[in-house]
Amino acid sequence: TAGITQAPTSQILAAGRSMTLRCTQDMRHNAMYWYRQDLGLGLRLIHYSNTAGTTGKGEVPDGYSVSRANTDDFPLTLASAVPSQTSVYFCASSDSLAGGTDTQYFGPGTRLTVL
Amino acid sequence: GQNIDQPTEMTATEGAIVQINCTYQTSGFNGLFWYQQHAGEAPTFLSYNVLDGLEEKGRFSSFLSRSKGYSYLLLKELQMKDSASYLCAVMDSNYQLIWGAGTKLIIKP
Repeated sequence: TAGITQAPTSQILAAGRSMTLRCTQDMRHNAMYWYRQDLGLGLRLIHYSNTAGTTGKGEVPDGYSVSRANTDDFPLTLASAVPSQTSVYFCASSDSLAGGTDTQYFGPGTRLTVL
Repeated sequence: GQNIDQPTEMTATEGAIVQINCTYQTSGFNGLFWYQQHAGEAPTFLSYNVLDGLEEKGRFSSFLSRSKGYSYLLLKELQMKDSASYLCAVMDSNYQLIWGAGTKLIIKP
């Protein structure tokens, strides 16, 4: 079982360019999440989706957008990248319905550098 | 505001025992998670506590005191492969995880 896959593994992006980070899970989990991880800080939630067709804003949503057209895919788009978006991005999923406490499982991450 | 505190770095010896503490202040509480993260890899789930007390899982145990806003992760019989960061996370009243910055554990032979 692949679990959660993310693409690309790493990317260098020029400031002002747009980019979509891809995330796919094969566990049929209801909920999916996007986090960023920066040195010295805890994981911070960017956006989440409790079920296909719905999305919500996390702690740091500005500059990012998401969509959830189906259960398996949850892409994260940076419309116009800025250097402060340099980070490691993790996608995660859980079998929770809204209000559930199920464990979150993480993809391998995408290391993004914005110059 | 919401806050999760854990030590930045700890060092321990192979074969020994280490306790990693986590204190939290969050809006609501729906459980506390511990994750392990090796350098350059994804976090992986270790344990979940929602009631007070100790949960044991092999060499790893996790303790929770809700009244004190406190948890610890206990690692026994340390192995070199236990060198990693250990992340404490609390699920708040909105069922969102609030994460600590992680404790980097260095194991020495």
